[in-house]
Amino acid sequence: EAQVTQNPRYLITVTGKKLTVTCSQNMNHEYMSWYRQDPGLGLRQIYYSMNVEVTDKGDVPEGYKVSRKEKRNFPLILESPSPNQTSLYFCASSLVVNRNSPLHFGNGTRLTVT
Amino acid sequence: RKEVEQDPGPFNVPEGATVAFNCTYSNSASQSFFWYRQDCRKEPKLLMSVYSSGNEDGRFTAQLNRASQYISLLIRDSKLSDSATYLCVVRATGTASKLTFGTGTRLQVTL
Repeated sequence: EAQVTQNPRYLITVTGKKLTVTCSQNMNHEYMSWYRQDPGLGLRQIYYSMNVEVTDKGDVPEGYKVSRKEKRNFPLILESPSPNQTSLYFCASSLVVNRNSPLHFGNGTRLTVT
Repeated sequence: RKEVEQDPGPFNVPEGATVAFNCTYSNSASQSFFWYRQDCRKEPKLLMSVYSSGNEDGRFTAQLNRASQYISLLIRDSKLSDSATYLCVVRATGTASKLTFGTGTRLQVTL
């Protein structure tokens, strides 16, 4: 089944403890992206990747890192999480970056930082 | 002003009703438009792309008005299963990687 898989679904952690949220897609998509969703703010892009070894900042990259060493994987790293990073995170991918290529989303990671 | 604005709702409508949502965008260079559907606490899913001439998919009709910079979504014969949040999404020319999401309009269809 074609899908974007994120893990974990739920994560509760403490301030400063490094964590990684994994994202994997099995559709051979070139483009991958991370979003966070907060009430009243909608989906905001954190980082994106146009292809292997190519990553760029989105609208809210502070406090996050990503890597794209393989086409299928795009992990999101929080080196020193803070409470303001408590949010619902989505990974998404699309075949190519063009006008009508739709985004396929993972089922989300709900992160709580205390 | 937000790049993409939507009325958050909720729109409460009876089953069988017709309901319409609008979404305005601020960047006149925007070229691609989409409606996504998001169920509570779940991932967004593409509902339909919006084409310049307007397009229809079953009970759903999407329209684009470039002059006034808005897109619309019309749902006819609403079903209980249509209850969700509808996200307006816009991509501007020259920023092929950047999709801007509205905060969504919540629809609740009732018996």
